[in-house]
Amino acid sequence: QSVLAQPPSVSGTPGQRVTISCSGSNSNIGSYTVNWYQQFPGTAPKLLIYNTDQWPSGVPDRFSGSKSGTSASLAVSGLQSEDEAHYYCAAWDASLNAWVFGGGTKLTVL
Amino acid sequence: EVQLFESGGSLVQPGGSLRLSCAASGFTFSNYAISWVRQAPGKGLEWVSAISGSGSRTYYTDSAMGRFTISRDNSKNMLFLQVNRLRAEDTAVYYCTKMSGRFYDTSTDPIDYWGQGTLVTVSS
Repeated sequence: QSVLAQPPSVSGTPGQRVTISCSGSNSNIGSYTVNWYQQFPGTAPKLLIYNTDQWPSGVPDRFSGSKSGTSASLAVSGLQSEDEAHYYCAAWDASLNAWVFGGGTKLTVL
Repeated sequence: EVQLFESGGSLVQPGGSLRLSCAASGFTFSNYAISWVRQAPGKGLEWVSAISGSGSRTYYTDSAMGRFTISRDNSKNMLFLQVNRLRAEDTAVYYCTKMSGRFYDTSTDPIDYWGQGTLVTVSS
């Protein structure tokens, strides 16, 4: 069982806005920033959002991150078929002294 | 361009050993901590071990402590993971990942690059 909780799947239609939640605790999300990774089947994850709401170079601003209390969210606006992938949240956990991940959410574009 | 290339994964019997390697390029290797993150088939991501940029500090998850040893050769831009006493539950793709800072335990310096991974299968 993952330290950070994510829904197993979310779906949306092209052009729609969808959000993926990531729930933690005071020892991780409640105290530290959150990062998001995108993974396509058979490939390595890629950093999508860092420090809760920052974009690495080359990531479209259709992806956005936010945090409130011990939960974080990744929003994808203007959904495109190429966004279909798994998404993982991650944060530092002070109690475990380790980086922890969510279990991942599969985004399906209908 | 940052590149990380893992090798060394294979089929091994329970109780066996392997040495995973990661060749890095495109950045000043000694300035950054490196982590190993694994992903069991069809499962999520799990951090396993990390080492600081200088190699002076190492970190392990509980399941890896005492069985895995991480090391690096900064003169050759290489990272290694010696994995011993392998169990079926160690079966996974092992990713070499670059942290965005010198140390693993800096909350604002997450993983920013991943290698393509190497598959370790533990089975009799």
